[in-house]
Amino acid sequence: QQQVKQSPQSLIVQKGGISIINCAYENTAFDYFPWYQQFPGKGPALLIAIRPDVSEKKEGRFTISFNKSAKQFSLHIMDSQPGDSATYFCAPGSSSNTGKLIFGQGTTLQVKP
Amino acid sequence: GAVVSQHPSRVICKSGTSVKIECRSLDFQATTMFWYRQFPKQSLMLMATSNEGSKATYEQGVEKDKFLINHASLTLSTLTVTSAHPEDSSFYICSASPGQKYTFGSGTRLTVV
Repeated sequence: QQQVKQSPQSLIVQKGGISIINCAYENTAFDYFPWYQQFPGKGPALLIAIRPDVSEKKEGRFTISFNKSAKQFSLHIMDSQPGDSATYFCAPGSSSNTGKLIFGQGTTLQVKP
Repeated sequence: GAVVSQHPSRVICKSGTSVKIECRSLDFQATTMFWYRQFPKQSLMLMATSNEGSKATYEQGVEKDKFLINHASLTLSTLTVTSAHPEDSSFYICSASPGQKYTFGSGTRLTVV
């Protein structure tokens, strides 16, 4: 019920390209869908998050697309930059479950200059 | 705003000793904090939920007698790794939520020798 599947495991994109990372979940009680960015040796930092009442949210170069019926959400990074090279995690959670986040397996993104 | 401070950032200890890691919410009060563990190139795994003024809730498979959690105030939670062994070497990260956003500390790299 709490399984979260993230894909791809790794991704290489040329500078200026679009990076797309997907997250599939099973628990229909999830009502918070964030993406986190983590650099080596650092804690995760919230990148962008969405609630289930909207299908898309854009903040700068980062967009979340949410498909409630398919139980999937994705992160799109437009105009990818070398500084975006990091590990990205989806981590859906439920406000009814003490706010615990369930992390996906992570995607290592490398943006080549 | 919404800063979570974690200390120390790195610690090396001898096998059999105990290590305490502090997690502080600097600009908000947190009745609940979360402790995660992350092994190299892996995802974050929730260890326990720290509750101010009451006992922590541990995830399945996490030894509560080995990982002692104390949440004595609304801004401080501590994780003590007791009788540490080399297999406890990992990256420990805490998190708290000032409302609807989950903020993570910068993590503590524990190495047991």
